[in-house]
Amino acid sequence: DTEVTQTPKHLVMGMTNKKSLKCEQHMGHRAMYWYKQKAKKPPELMFVYSYEKLSINESVPSRFSPECPNSSLLNLHLHALQPEDSALYLCASSQVGVRSTDTQYFGPGTRLTVL
Amino acid sequence: AQKITQTQPGMFVQEKEAVTLDCTYDTSDPSYGLFWYKQPSSGEMIFLIYQGSYDQQNATEGRYSLNFQKARKSANLVISASQLGDSAMYFCAMREAGNQFYFGTGTSLTVIP
Repeated sequence: DTEVTQTPKHLVMGMTNKKSLKCEQHMGHRAMYWYKQKAKKPPELMFVYSYEKLSINESVPSRFSPECPNSSLLNLHLHALQPEDSALYLCASSQVGVRSTDTQYFGPGTRLTVL
Repeated sequence: AQKITQTQPGMFVQEKEAVTLDCTYDTSDPSYGLFWYKQPSSGEMIFLIYQGSYDQQNATEGRYSLNFQKARKSANLVISASQLGDSAMYFCAMREAGNQFYFGTGTSLTVIP
């Protein structure tokens, strides 16, 4: 099973709202990722969790707050977003990078629109 | 320096023809992995094929093959017998030791009937 699930598929929120994106995988992976992607651009890394601990934070604004409650779940809490934060948010998972050969698998993404 | 370079922003191919999407990479690590992903307009990133730096043979997965030229640091994706459903963005990516993946800027492939 190489499935990563994400909810919701689409989200529209106002700049004062608080919402959360959810991601789940059952592949036994211990590295989980959040990416932001604008149309026709490559995904931009936001956060990486390794063994449920935040290992990479790519200078993401504090209005994005990640959380990894357990090895299968990854959340992204959103608060006071800006219209420029509208994008496709992709979750991914992989084995922890002991070997460079391990593949990263992506979820279907959440299309976020900030009004 | 860019870790992954894809120099073809857009490509067109006739249905049933083969097409090559270019990817060059930059690393000093002896151990690395190279990956290709397909992203249709629906948005999902679909893993296609993988090549390890120590692999002696080029990777193949169905109609996809990876033309790995280590000395040139290139990892081109070849799609044989193109189908309309192959129209999508294609991203080349690399992983060195560690958890970070590096992506190229992508190539938009359009298959013409």
